[in-house]
Amino acid sequence: AQTVTQSQPEMSVQEAETVTLSCTYDTSENNYYLFWYKQPPSRQMILVIRQEAYKQQNATENRFSVNFQKAAKSFSLKISDSQLGDTAMYFCAFRDTSGTYKYIFGTGTRLKVLA
Amino acid sequence: KAGVTQTPRYLIKTRGQQVTLSCSPISGHRSVSWYQQTPGQGLQFLFEYFSETQRNKGNFPGRFSGRQFSNSRSEMNVSTLELGDSALYLCASSLEPEWSYGYTFGSGTRLTVV
Repeated sequence: AQTVTQSQPEMSVQEAETVTLSCTYDTSENNYYLFWYKQPPSRQMILVIRQEAYKQQNATENRFSVNFQKAAKSFSLKISDSQLGDTAMYFCAFRDTSGTYKYIFGTGTRLKVLA
Repeated sequence: KAGVTQTPRYLIKTRGQQVTLSCSPISGHRSVSWYQQTPGQGLQFLFEYFSETQRNKGNFPGRFSGRQFSNSRSEMNVSTLELGDSALYLCASSLEPEWSYGYTFGSGTRLTVV
């Protein structure tokens, strides 16, 4: 069974600095997608970034980038130039393409950006 | 472009009652999924619908049911409510294949069972 582990329940970072959130997963699938979602206090989950497993190049979206290590089954999120609006819960998610039609979410990391 | 709309935002119900939650996906999104979010269990998959058909179901009892209409709007129903059903219920819609595009989530319905 697939699992997703986020080992950092809470983190904090100073505004304008860089922070890295960790995520590891376990799967026997070879083709899958990985996502980071952000859930601010407003409750709405927002897609931050996604990575296709067959692509070796790490995905980047503005200040957000990932370090995808397929062999190590690791998928960390780096936030550069942290902003107060980045304060949120961050969830790592795994989605296979073999037909189970559901995501596996990690337990989340609560990130607080300090002024 | 309107986002995913969930109604109501908050709901308080008594044990034993039933409840219906509604979700209107983004226009053009035919895939709708439901998740239950609790502090203890995190995000748990409930069901996924595509073109009015339930494509997959999570490990929830039969008290949890859902449906999707021809306009892609979806409802989920919980009968005989229990205290443990208190949670944030999130609806998400997507283009197909949804694993390629990722979800767009609504703001959720906060259900409190007393």
